[in-house]
Amino acid sequence: EAEVAQSPRYKITEKSQAVAFWCDPISGHATLYWYRQILGQGPELLVQFQDESVVDDSQLPKDRFSAERLKGVDSTLKIQPAELGDSAMYLCASSQYGNYNSPLHFGNGTRLTVT
Amino acid sequence: RKEVEQDPGPFNVPEGATVAFNCTYSNSASQSFFWYRQDCRKEPKLLMSVYSSGNEDGRFTAQLNRASQYISLLIRDSKLSDSATYLCVVLNTGGFKTIFGAGTRLFVKA
Repeated sequence: EAEVAQSPRYKITEKSQAVAFWCDPISGHATLYWYRQILGQGPELLVQFQDESVVDDSQLPKDRFSAERLKGVDSTLKIQPAELGDSAMYLCASSQYGNYNSPLHFGNGTRLTVT
Repeated sequence: RKEVEQDPGPFNVPEGATVAFNCTYSNSASQSFFWYRQDCRKEPKLLMSVYSSGNEDGRFTAQLNRASQYISLLIRDSKLSDSATYLCVVLNTGGFKTIFGAGTRLFVKA
């Protein structure tokens, strides 16, 4: 079973509503990632944290998405307002150092359906 | 052009067959390479890292060709349980950005 904890596992929301996802990485892992995966495609990086700092959010749609990792441990990803095109799997991952020797460990993901 | 490209497949092979996947990357400064496996509706899981000299883990062999900027995964003696999507992952320097390919689907048939 995945050691990165994510919740909820499934979320159905209506268009224009707000939705939030939570992630608790493996203990001691400094780097935390949020990915979005559309069916049939590979995961796309939304935001990467090193401790509490954002190191890459170039692909995050900042007009509607926000992410925080206030104490450098768990993290929240929020979408407001949700759009139909946001339906996807949202994956959280962590790595020990965020460098080339640290593979990613994924949580089970949150499957979002926007109606 | 995508930074990491894979043949989407699907590859349909019988049990016991040998199958190989390639993955090309565009950034010559890419530092590290991995293969992940993803089962249907599950999270990706690390299959193996890819080292410059090539490496093997049981029935799985990974190769890196920096000159041509591609990595490969060879699966020998395919099992039904190998049916999954195989994701190529490239780690770039400068922020250690991790980029996933779209994946190659493999179906192993009895």
